Amino acid sequence: QSALTQPASVSGSPGQSITISCTGTSSDVGGYNYVSWYQQHPGKAPKLMIYEVSNRPSGVSNRFSGSKSGNTASLTISGLQAEDEADYYCSSYTRNVVFGGGTKLTVL
Amino acid sequence: EVQLLESGGGLVQPGGSLRLSCAASGFTFSSYAMSWVRQAPGKGLEWVSAISGSGGSTYYADSVKGRFTISRDNSKNTLYLQMNSLRAEDTAVYYCAKERYDYIWGSYRSDWGQGTLVTVSS
Repeated sequence: QSALTQPASVSGSPGQSITISCTGTSSDVGGYNYVSWYQQHPGKAPKLMIYEVSNRPSGVSNRFSGSKSGNTASLTISGLQAEDEADYYCSSYTRNVVFGGGTKLTVL
Repeated sequence: EVQLLESGGGLVQPGGSLRLSCAASGFTFSSYAMSWVRQAPGKGLEWVSAISGSGGSTYYADSVKGRFTISRDNSKNTLYLQMNSLRAEDTAVYYCAKERYDYIWGSYRSDWGQGTLVTVSS
């Protein structure tokens, strides 16, 4: 059982927007602005997409955005594209680093 | 360009040992904390261990504490994970990751290697 809760799957059509939630507690997600998000395509290494809740690394499309409210962080992808189809993981801290269980994004 | 190349994975019997290595290049290795993250077949990411830039501070997931040891050789730009008393549930792809800062708390994994597969089976 992961420390952070994500939906197992989400889907959307090209051009639409989707949001993936990541729910923790006041001891992790809610307590600090240290939420990061990673994208993983099948058979590939994870890639950092968002750090410190809402910051995008250089080279990541501005279609990806992050936010947080209380104990829940969210990743929003706007203008969905076929290449966005992947698994997405959130991460935060309790005593150590914790990951969410992952969300499979399907672009219909 | 940051490059992280893991090696040392393979098939090992339950109770056996294995040492993973991660050769780093493209950045000042000693200035950054490093982590190991694993992924069991068909499962999600699980953080395993981390080490500060100097090597003076180490951190472990409860699932591996007392069995795994993380270390680094800053003169060789190489990260290690010594895995002892291996169990079937340790079977996974093990990724080496560069942290954004010299410390782990509040950091994030900015770059990842391609991973090395460890299979624990008789």
